[in-house]
This record gives sequence, structure tokens and C-alpha cells, in this order.
Amino acid sequence: DAGITQSPRHKVTETGTPVTLRCHQTENHRYMYWYRQDPGHGLRLIHYSYGVKDTDKGEVSDGYSVSRSKTEDFLLTLESATSSQTSVYFCAISESSDSAKLFFGSGTQLSVL
Amino acid sequence: GIQVEQSPPDLILQEGANSTLRCNFSDSVNNLQWFHQNPWGQLINLFYIPSGTKQNGRLSATTVATERYSLLYISSSQTTDSGVYFCAVLNAGNMLTFGGGTRLMVKP
Repeated sequence: DAGITQSPRHKVTETGTPVTLRCHQTENHRYMYWYRQDPGHGLRLIHYSYGVKDTDKGEVSDGYSVSRSKTEDFLLTLESATSSQTSVYFCAISESSDSAKLFFGSGTQLSVL
Repeated sequence: GIQVEQSPPDLILQEGANSTLRCNFSDSVNNLQWFHQNPWGQLINLFYIPSGTKQNGRLSATTVATERYSLLYISSSQTTDSGVYFCAVLNAGNMLTFGGGTRLMVKP
């Protein structure tokens, strides 16, 4: 199994509070991704990173920011959580952007009340 | 952007039966992957298969890129095969786009 750890595994928070989710990898892969999974929408890309301090937006990036200060860590921040951000968040890693397998972490269940 | 459609959306099998899941995509791709999400939510990469055929135990996959589809075959299904199967393809923006999934239930 790919060495990907997401924390926390579960979180309940209130509307308007900041939330940070962490993804840690031990594979030294260059690319890291944050996805959200919602019923009826499948898996959608929020942001991704192609190196330390190199990040870009995915298809549903509004309301989210990311940071990658070390190869092994990729943080996802909800600056002011809203109920529409209640979801399951998955981190994923790959060696390259176009020709390598994607491996997922175990996910974080986030509930915004 | 690229469209990815999977069929059937739901499938119920008796243990030991075989099945074929289909993934159609709307544009040429150079990266196609199949994933299994188990009932506990964990996503497992089954195949990286932009073209050709691969086999892994009871599972095999074939991608015909020129005709824009991929098939996932499950033989002698087991209850542990239950879950949701996703295909994902790489679009022009270098982002994987996921299909809606096929939900499989294998009954003992």
C-alpha cells in the first residue's frame, strides 16, 4: 500500500470556522492532489501540487486553499467553512501527472454544521 | 471538458458469476485508470491501462483507445468484490476526470 496518511479521519466543525486537513506521504512522489467526493458528483479535484510550493487549481477550488512546504506534506485549508463543504476529502499521490498510477489516502469525513 | 460515462450504474451478482463494466469517454486519452472503492470507503487502484489488456488475478481490463472505451472484467465474483468501481481519464488540463461509477453488490 502506498504510504499516505490523512488527518484527521473525522471532523465536525461549525460554519465560519477555519479548518485544515493534512496529507502526509512517505513515497517521495512529486504530485499530490486533494479531491472531494459527494453523492451524485463523484470525485472532483480541488487543488493539486506538482512540487514544493508549486500548486494549481482543480475544478472545484473556490473556498479552498492549499500549501506544500515539504515534499511529504500537502495541506488543504477551508478558510471559513460552509455547509456545502461537508464532504469526504481524499488526498492522492502520483509520480507524474500523465503516465503514472494515482494512489489515494483513506479519506477525511468533514461535517460542517 | 472530457465526459466519462460508466455503465451499468448498479449491478447485483450472485457469488461466482462473471461481469463486465464499461467506461466510455468523449475524447482521446493517454491515461486511463480503474479504481475500486470498498464498502469502507477506501479507494484502490486496480489498473493503469491507457491501451491494451492487462490482467490481475480474477480481474482484467481492456482499453480500446481508438474507439474511446474501456472494459473491466470480473470473473468468479466474490463478496469482497462489492463496492463501487470508477474509471478515470486524463483530460487536456492534466487532471483526471472520474466517471460516476458502477455500484456492484455480490451476494453470497
